Amino acid sequence: DTEVTQTPKHLVMGMTNKKSLKCEQHMGHRAMYWYKQKAKKPPELMFVYSYEKLSINESVPSRFSPECPNSSLLNLHLHALQPEDSALYLCASSQTATDTQYFGPGTRLTVL
Amino acid sequence: AQSVTQPDIHITVSEGASLELRCNYSYGATPYLFWYVQSPGQGLQLLLKYFSGDTLVQGIKGFEAEFKRSQSSFNLRKPSVHWSDAAEYFCAVGVGGGTSYGKLTFGQGTILTVHP
Repeated sequence: DTEVTQTPKHLVMGMTNKKSLKCEQHMGHRAMYWYKQKAKKPPELMFVYSYEKLSINESVPSRFSPECPNSSLLNLHLHALQPEDSALYLCASSQTATDTQYFGPGTRLTVL
Repeated sequence: AQSVTQPDIHITVSEGASLELRCNYSYGATPYLFWYVQSPGQGLQLLLKYFSGDTLVQGIKGFEAEFKRSQSSFNLRKPSVHWSDAAEYFCAVGVGGGTSYGKLTFGQGTILTVHP
């Protein structure tokens, strides 16, 4: 089973809202990732967690705040987003940071 | 820093025809290479990967890819395309160490259209 689940599937929020995206895997993977994908573009890495510690932050604005409460869960907290943050947010996991990454279906985020 | 180039933005083939999608990478050490496929609005599905060993790798859905170190290439092939193969294909290179440990860098993608 190589399933990564993401909730919600769709999210519409205003610029003053606070919301969270959730990602879950039960494959025993110890690395988890957040990517942002704009329309007609490839995914761009935002954050990497390895053994529940943040190992890579690709200079992402502080209005995006990741959290890894345990080895199966990854959250992305959103606050004061801008319309240009509208995108597909993909979560992925891998056994370790150099192994194959398996992606979830994504959350389609629209910021009004 | 690593980079990936997919020279073809859009490819159109007829159903039953053969397919080759090109991928060139730039990375100082031995790369980890992947091909993913994405249908509109969906997540990415792994087609195949190369870590080491045999340079011709087989994947799902009848796809294969060949790693050529001398040409820094990892082209994806399929002998006979099906209409359901229409999607966007991404080549990606992974980093095995250093400060970018775990980083996956994607090419710009190739959109495949299949004509009946």
